[in-house]
Amino acid sequence: EVQLVESGGGLVQPGGSLRLSCAASGFTFSYFSMTWVRQAPGKGLEWVAYISSTTGTIYYADSVKGRFTISRDNAKNSLYLQMNSLRAEDTAIYYCARDGFGAYGMDVWGQGTTVTVSS
Amino acid sequence: QSALTQPPSASGSPGQSVTISCTGTSSDVGGYNYVSWYQQHPGKAPKLMIYEVSKRPSGVPDRFSGSRSGNTASLTVSGLQAEDEADYYCSSYAGSTNLFGTGTKVTVL
Repeated sequence: EVQLVESGGGLVQPGGSLRLSCAASGFTFSYFSMTWVRQAPGKGLEWVAYISSTTGTIYYADSVKGRFTISRDNAKNSLYLQMNSLRAEDTAIYYCARDGFGAYGMDVWGQGTTVTVSS
Repeated sequence: QSALTQPPSASGSPGQSVTISCTGTSSDVGGYNYVSWYQQHPGKAPKLMIYEVSKRPSGVPDRFSGSRSGNTASLTVSGLQAEDEADYYCSSYAGSTNLFGTGTKVTVL
């Protein structure tokens, strides 16, 4: 079964850091590019960051550029999101998704992990 | 990086059709054949319904169809069923970024 499972969410104070992980199974992870998408409470979807299959191409939304870092370890079938200098407005459910970045769409999604930034 | 514009809500009776619009610009929706649509039920992760403007992933009913005219993409749900009640989001590739729409809540009356 093709599956993505996020972990690492939690409560963090403003200015703090958190590292999210996304474990992939059921498909050849190294063949696919990946994306993080977030959804603030009661709000819509917001694309956060993208990484190509070989990490050669990385893109960020302006709202997180310079604070978040996307990375992957193809040997461990894992995707990561290092989040620094967290703000209240980063509070959201964070989803990882398999993403053709245009082609094929975001065709596989995890269940999400919740990040709450609050003092 | 502005969100794509969708109507906040749409509704229809069972068996009827509903169409949701998604308006962008020539730099996103109108510039690439990379518009996708996602369905999200409350408390659940989004699900891909349409990709590359009008293609349906395996397992998505053919009641769901996508199209585009200029800078506006559309999702049509024909033969509405109770389980189609959900939030729907469009998304478009835009060069080095990916934009989502503002979302539309579809209600089955």
